[in-house]
Amino acid sequence: DAGVIQSPRHEVTEMGQEVTLRCKPISGHDYLFWYRQTMMRGLELLIYFNNNVPIDDSGMPEDRFSAKMPNASFSNLKIQPSEPRDSAVYFCASSRSGPGELFFGEGSRLTVL
Amino acid sequence: GEDVEQSLFLSVREGDSSVINCTYTDSSSTYLYWYKQEPGAGLQLLTYIFSNMDMKQDQRLTVLLNKKDKHLSLRIADTQTGDSAIYFCAESIDNTDKLIFGTGTRLQVFP
Repeated sequence: DAGVIQSPRHEVTEMGQEVTLRCKPISGHDYLFWYRQTMMRGLELLIYFNNNVPIDDSGMPEDRFSAKMPNASFSNLKIQPSEPRDSAVYFCASSRSGPGELFFGEGSRLTVL
Repeated sequence: GEDVEQSLFLSVREGDSSVINCTYTDSSSTYLYWYKQEPGAGLQLLTYIFSNMDMKQDQRLTVLLNKKDKHLSLRIADTQTGDSAIYFCAESIDNTDKLIFGTGTRLQVFP
């Protein structure tokens, strides 16, 4: 079975540009999570969805960040405009309802110059 | 607030045991988890423990939970070079699937 698929794996962009990160969760999973990983702050939960509905977006850093889940098989995370401090690895993870085994994608490494 | 703390580094010799420690804050967590992250990859669930248990053993892995002190540990017996990775503990918040991860402990295994 395919795992969580993220794209792009690497993105290098200039400050001020719009960035879109994409995620395809595992089929049948009800929950989708976006995390950000940096050396300084570790792994931070940005937002999560249940059945395509955003449940908690309290971790989204600011209005420049937005995430949508238009259907059960796709989510995107947008940053507009991007800033150098947004440079990080962004992970998408999905899970079935239950004790919380998250299945992570391989991450999207974002570098904002 | 929600805070899960771990030491940052651990270095052990191959064949020795490794013990990775974690303290958490949410006493209502039903489950506590250990995840492993290998270089360039996402996290993978290693094991989890139900909050009414003190210990769980799974092959080379032993998880100990001290609820009174909110302390969780992961022991890896007979540590191998393939165990070199970053290990994260995590707690579920408000009994949901919202997981808060610790800072991660980088385990280095040398021959």
